Amino acid sequence: AQSVTQLGSHVSVSEGALVLLRCNYSSSVPPYLFWYVQYPNQGLQLLLKYTTGATLVKGINGFEAEFKKSETSFHLTKPSAHMSDAAEYFCAVRNQAGTALIFGKGTTLSVSS
Amino acid sequence: NAGVTQTPKFQVLKTGQSMTLQCAQDMNHEYMSWYRQDPGMGLRLIHYSVGAGITDQGEVPNGYNVSRSTTEDFPLRLLSAAPSQTSVYFCASSRTGYGYTFGSGTRLTVV
Repeated sequence: AQSVTQLGSHVSVSEGALVLLRCNYSSSVPPYLFWYVQYPNQGLQLLLKYTTGATLVKGINGFEAEFKKSETSFHLTKPSAHMSDAAEYFCAVRNQAGTALIFGKGTTLSVSS
Repeated sequence: NAGVTQTPKFQVLKTGQSMTLQCAQDMNHEYMSWYRQDPGMGLRLIHYSVGAGITDQGEVPNGYNVSRSTTEDFPLRLLSAAPSQTSVYFCASSRTGYGYTFGSGTRLTVV
């Protein structure tokens, strides 16, 4: 069965610092992996996704993630945090049938000036 | 605008009342799914559908019913609301499973 573990429910960084949000997955089939961002009282916005091909995936707002099969990981990074990056971030894996997503519990990112 | 439309945006129910959360998409997507979001729990899959007339249960289906009579619509029914169903509900659709479009959510409070 598919599952996602996000390490750290809350991450705090200073403006300009590296952002690293961790995601590990379990999948019985080749995984399709997604990162979503949710700003307060808003819906979900897709940051990036990995389906097949290049393992380093670039997304919106300067974020990127690297698929590492040997480590079953799909960590999200951004070289320099902005105040506007403060939000909740969700990692997800497509279910085995490919019909829906299985989400992690989320990581709240705080950015201080 | 093309996308996933959820109604209502906000709802307050009394325990034991029934209601239907509406979800409609105009992208001719085959796959549709319902999630609930609770603090510290992420989004959990309630039910999903692979096409008209075909539905299946997700991780937390108890207390919820679904049906899919058309490609466009995938309503979620609460037959007898309970305070434990207080949550934010999201609907999503996908054509092939390569990308998922989410609605803006319904915030439900059961008192």
